[in-house]
Amino acid sequence: KQEVTQIPAALSVPEGENLVLNCSFTDSAIYNLQWFRQDPGKGLTSLLLIQSSQREQTSGRLNASLDKSSGRSTLYIAASQPGDSATYLCAVSPMDSNYQLIWGAGTKLIIKP
Amino acid sequence: KAGVTQTPRYLIKTRGQQVTLSCSPISGHRSVSWYQQTPGQGLQFLFEYFSETQRNKGNFPGRFSGRQFSNSRSEMNVSTLELGDSALYLCASSPQRLARDNEQFFGPGTRLTVL
Repeated sequence: KQEVTQIPAALSVPEGENLVLNCSFTDSAIYNLQWFRQDPGKGLTSLLLIQSSQREQTSGRLNASLDKSSGRSTLYIAASQPGDSATYLCAVSPMDSNYQLIWGAGTKLIIKP
Repeated sequence: KAGVTQTPRYLIKTRGQQVTLSCSPISGHRSVSWYQQTPGQGLQFLFEYFSETQRNKGNFPGRFSGRQFSNSRSEMNVSTLELGDSALYLCASSPQRLARDNEQFFGPGTRLTVL
């Protein structure tokens, strides 16, 4: 059974720092992995999707990597800003999932001005 | 392109009542998924529809049901509400016909409070 873990559960860093969020999954048989952002009380905003055949994806200050063999993904945020404060979730689309996503519990990120 | 819309945004109900939530997917998307999010359990999959057919259902009691219409709009219904049904209900749409194309886009959610 696929399980997704995100470490740390919470992270607080000063503005301007580069940071890395981690996501691990137990079964490498996935179609893709998605990173999302959620602001308090709001829905989810898709940040990056990495197909299983890809190693990384970039969007602006965000870079996500995928190492399927080790069951790991990282989300790198460069030059963090207070507006980056949110909960970041990763989700995998397992090959045996029948169309559902399997979710991590999220990392709550606080960027201090 | 307009995003995923969900109505209503907020609902307050009492135990024993029933509720219907609505989701309109992104134009052209034929897959709609529903998720429940609570502080204790995180995000949990409810069900997924494609072309009016339920393709998968999560581990929820029969009180939770859904359907999809020919225009891809979807509704979910919860009957005999319990306090534990209080949650943020999220709808996601995807253009996917195949599981490997499963990139999902989420609506703002419906916040349901059961008193």
